[in-house]
Amino acid sequence: AQTVTQSQPEMSVQEAETVTLSCTYDTSESDYYLFWYKQPPSRQMILVIRQEAYKQQNATENRFSVNFQKAAKSFSLKISDSQLGDAAMYFCAYRGLLYGGSQGNLIFGKGTKLSVKP
Amino acid sequence: DVKVTQSSRYLVKRTGEKVFLECVQDMDHENMFWYRQDPGLGLRLIYFSYDVKMKEKGDIPEGYSVSREKKERFSLILESASTNQTSMYLCASTGQFTDTQYFGPGTRLTVL
Repeated sequence: AQTVTQSQPEMSVQEAETVTLSCTYDTSESDYYLFWYKQPPSRQMILVIRQEAYKQQNATENRFSVNFQKAAKSFSLKISDSQLGDAAMYFCAYRGLLYGGSQGNLIFGKGTKLSVKP
Repeated sequence: DVKVTQSSRYLVKRTGEKVFLECVQDMDHENMFWYRQDPGLGLRLIYFSYDVKMKEKGDIPEGYSVSREKKERFSLILESASTNQTSMYLCASTGQFTDTQYFGPGTRLTVL
């Protein structure tokens, strides 16, 4: 069974600096999807970034980028120029490639709480 | 934009009460999910549904049931609420051939 591990329960960053959140996963599949979701204090889960495992290029979305190391099964999220609004819980999630039934389900890590200091 | 709504942001119920949590999505998504979120445990899947009237157990279905009579609506039912069901409940949906789940704002349920 697939698992997702976020080893940092809490992280802190100074405003305008860069922070990296770690995520590792375990799977025997060769193709899959990986996601980072953000949950601010308002509780609405928002998709931050998405990576297709069969694409070698790391995904980027403005100040957010990932370091995807497929062989190491690592999927870290880098936040550049941190802003106060980046303070949130961040969840890493895995999804298999197939569709239908439970194959479309997400497997989540336990989350990392990011604080941003002014 | 996809919109997933949940009937209540906050809910307080008594032990033994029957509780309904409603979730509605407006994107004609086939798949809908109910998660429970607890500190230090992340999101755990309670039930999911990939079609009307279809339901599948997730990782922690005990004490819960679901109903999906219409494609856009997925209800989570606590037949007899207990204090250990105090938690945050999140609903999500996704299309049959899309990989991204879209979440509702969550319902914080307190059972006294």
